[in-house]
Amino acid sequence: DIQMTQSPSSVSASVGDRVTITCRASQGISSWLAWYQQKPGKAPKLLIYAASSLQSGVPSRFSGSGSGTDFTLTISSLQPEDFATYYCQQANSFPLTFGQGTKLEIK
Amino acid sequence: QLQLQESGPGLVKPSETLSLTCTVSGGSISSSSYYWGWIRQPPGKGLEWIGSIYYSGSTYYNPSLKSRVTISVDTSKNQFSLKLSSVTAADTAVYYCARHGTMVRGSWFDPWGQGTLVTVSS
Repeated sequence: DIQMTQSPSSVSASVGDRVTITCRASQGISSWLAWYQQKPGKAPKLLIYAASSLQSGVPSRFSGSGSGTDFTLTISSLQPEDFATYYCQQANSFPLTFGQGTKLEIK
Repeated sequence: QLQLQESGPGLVKPSETLSLTCTVSGGSISSSSYYWGWIRQPPGKGLEWIGSIYYSGSTYYNPSLKSRVTISVDTSKNQFSLKLSSVTAADTAVYYCARHGTMVRGSWFDPWGQGTLVTVSS
């Protein structure tokens, strides 16, 4: 199985800040990576697919980059509605696996 | 727009079988472009893919659960279902259904159902 490791596990930031979350795969996955946002009590929401493609309807302050084993999700200017938990998921091979999550909290 | 809705018992006894159904509306489960999957999330923890099915009945399962999981599809009802046998407290989780692409490379989940909490307890 491909292990996905996110860092940090949690981060505190303020509205307007730029935040970067990292995801590392245990083996190369090309660009077969997705990012999700999950708010308490809600299902995850697809933000980014193919490492850097923005899902329709997702604000442009979200961006993704990387290939191979190292990936990043960047939020350029945090908005109040962005405080949530973020997960990466590899879509290179079965079994599909997720990172452990990064909780983005208000400072 | 496509919507998915999970349904089934919220409480299951240890050693019994958990059974859930996902009803798809706003689109056909028989689309040749998608697989239909189950993902779970224990309270306060991360996401775990359980398995997926194509409308033809072709399945992929997570090896960690494969011996206990059966996923089936009913195209006439636009539904797919999950059965997880011999459950323990460790199977307590919110269970989600979701759609993903047909090729493993590119299997990201969108959209998702709202999720249903299943508690395993006597």
